[in-house]
Amino acid sequence: DAGITQSPRHKVTETGTPVTLRCHQTENHRYMYWYRQDPGHGLRLIHYSYGVKDTDKGEVSDGYSVSRSKTEDFLLTLESATSSQTSVYFCAITDYYEQFFGPGTRLTVL
Amino acid sequence: EDQVTQSPEALRLQEGESSSLNCSYTVSGLRGLFWYRQDPGKGPEFLFTLYSAGEEKEKERLKATLTKKESFLHITAPKPEDSATYLCAVQARTGANNLFFGTGTRLTVIP
Repeated sequence: DAGITQSPRHKVTETGTPVTLRCHQTENHRYMYWYRQDPGHGLRLIHYSYGVKDTDKGEVSDGYSVSRSKTEDFLLTLESATSSQTSVYFCAITDYYEQFFGPGTRLTVL
Repeated sequence: EDQVTQSPEALRLQEGESSSLNCSYTVSGLRGLFWYRQDPGKGPEFLFTLYSAGEEKEKERLKATLTKKESFLHITAPKPEDSATYLCAVQARTGANNLFFGTGTRLTVIP
């Protein structure tokens, strides 16, 4: 257990509504990541952070934004949710080079 | 472009029947190759990191090996509790330490 929690764990929302997912870590790691997992695809990187207020885009960043105002929290926002963003979202941290994942958030956009 | 291919997609084994999962990769400068186990409804659970060709690591009934083009996850005398999806990922030397994943092998071990 790398001290990573995600909230909410499940969410159902409607197309066009904003959604924010939260990742919280307890061990002061510098790097944090958001991935999404979909059938037929490996986990894909959405955004990552390398420090407070330092973020960058990943492979599938369109339609997502992130913020990191504190070391322990990394937020993922869907500005206007679409059905293609229905997925399971995982947060991860890097401890040296090894990466550890949170329990995931299952998001359904109707 | 980084690429990871896992085979087979699914594997059914009888309890005690040893086998191997394959992960072939291309990456512009490998920092590490990672194996994870994922149970339904849960996040990936870290198993191993391999850093250089020829390296091997073991944990209980699992042994991971690495060459310059592929990695194998050998499962010796599996038990039903080894049933899970096994994910392989590569990490490049450049970039933000993020991982590039394959689509996984779904292992079922039948009692």
